[in-house]
Amino acid sequence: KQEVTQIPAALSVPEGENLVLNCSFTDSAIYNLQWFRQDPGKGLTSLLLIQSSQREQTSGRLNASLDKSSGRSTLYIAASQPGDSATYLCAPNPLSSNTGKLIFGQGTTLQVKP
Amino acid sequence: DVKVTQSSRYLVKRTGEKVFLECVQDMDHENMFWYRQDPGLGLRLIYFSYDVKMKEKGDIPEGYSVSREKKERFSLILESASTNQTSMYLCASSHDRVDTQYFGPGTRLTVL
Repeated sequence: KQEVTQIPAALSVPEGENLVLNCSFTDSAIYNLQWFRQDPGKGLTSLLLIQSSQREQTSGRLNASLDKSSGRSTLYIAASQPGDSATYLCAPNPLSSNTGKLIFGQGTTLQVKP
Repeated sequence: DVKVTQSSRYLVKRTGEKVFLECVQDMDHENMFWYRQDPGLGLRLIYFSYDVKMKEKGDIPEGYSVSREKKERFSLILESASTNQTSMYLCASSHDRVDTQYFGPGTRLTVL
């Protein structure tokens, strides 16, 4: 059974810092892994989808890497801004599921202070 | 732009009521999902649909049913609402099972 762990659970940084959010998963047999952002009381916004054959994917100040064999993904945020404050969730899409069901971590809650 | 909408942002119902949560997507996606999100438990899949009138149970289908009469609309039904169904309900859709999933804004349901 796929289990997903995100470390740290919470992070507070001053504006302008570069930071890394970590995601580990127990079953490396995945189609892909998706990173989401969730603002309080809101839905999820897709940030990046990284395929199992890819090593990294970039969008603006965000860079996601994937090491499938070790069951790890990282989300790198460059030059953080107060608007980046949110909860970040990673979700692998396991091969064992024929539904496309994503398995979610508990998330990392990020606060960027001005 | 991709768009998934949910019928209500906030909903308050009484125990025993029948509750309908509606989700609509405008991207012609085949797959639609209903998740619930609870503190400490994360997001869990309730039901999934891969085509009109087709559905599959997720991890926690008990107490719920779904309906997909049209491709763009996926409804979650609580047959007889109970207090343990108080939660945030999130709908998602994707083109296929390995594509990006797009989420709606969520419905915060409170059952009294």
